[in-house]
Amino acid sequence: AQTVTQSQPEMSVQEAETVTLSCTYDTSENNYYLFWYKQPPSRQMILVIRQEAYKQQNATENRFSVNFQKAAKSFSLKISDSQLGDTAMYFCAFMNNNNDMRFGAGTRLTVKP
Amino acid sequence: DGGITQSPKYLFRKEGQNVTLSCEQNLNHDAMYWYRQDPGQGLRLIYYSQIVNDFQKGDIAEGYSVSREKKESFPLTVTSAQKNPTAFYLCASSGGFNYGYTFGSGTRLTVV
Repeated sequence: AQTVTQSQPEMSVQEAETVTLSCTYDTSENNYYLFWYKQPPSRQMILVIRQEAYKQQNATENRFSVNFQKAAKSFSLKISDSQLGDTAMYFCAFMNNNNDMRFGAGTRLTVKP
Repeated sequence: DGGITQSPKYLFRKEGQNVTLSCEQNLNHDAMYWYRQDPGQGLRLIYYSQIVNDFQKGDIAEGYSVSREKKESFPLTVTSAQKNPTAFYLCASSGGFNYGYTFGSGTRLTVV
């Protein structure tokens, strides 16, 4: 069974600074996707970024980028130029080709003014 | 616009009552999911359905039931057998593993 581990329950960062959230996973599969979801206080789950395991190039979406290390089974999220609106819970997720998605326990990020 | 609609947003249940949470999607997705989220916690899978008229138990199915009579709808019933139902419930659907899940806005259920 796949497992996803987020080892940082809480993190904080100053506005305009950069922060990196960690995620590791365990799987024996070769073809899968990895995701980062953001859950702000409204509790709506919002897709931040996704990465296909077969692609070596790290995904980037504006201020959000990932560092995908397939051999190490690591998938960290970097947020550049942090904004107050980035304050949220962030969930790392693994999805196999059976549409089975597994989530980490989440990291609560606070951006301080 | 396509999306997932969960209703109601807030729901109160008395002890011993069954309540049903609605989840409707117009994304033409085959797969749908129900998750439970407790305060400060991650998401735990209750039930999922990959196709109409078929569904499987997730990790915490006891005290819950579902149906999938239409592709668009996947209602969740919280039965009186669920001893601690107070939580936030999220419904999701998937159009394929390269797209991930699309989530509804959730239902907060409280036992009174």
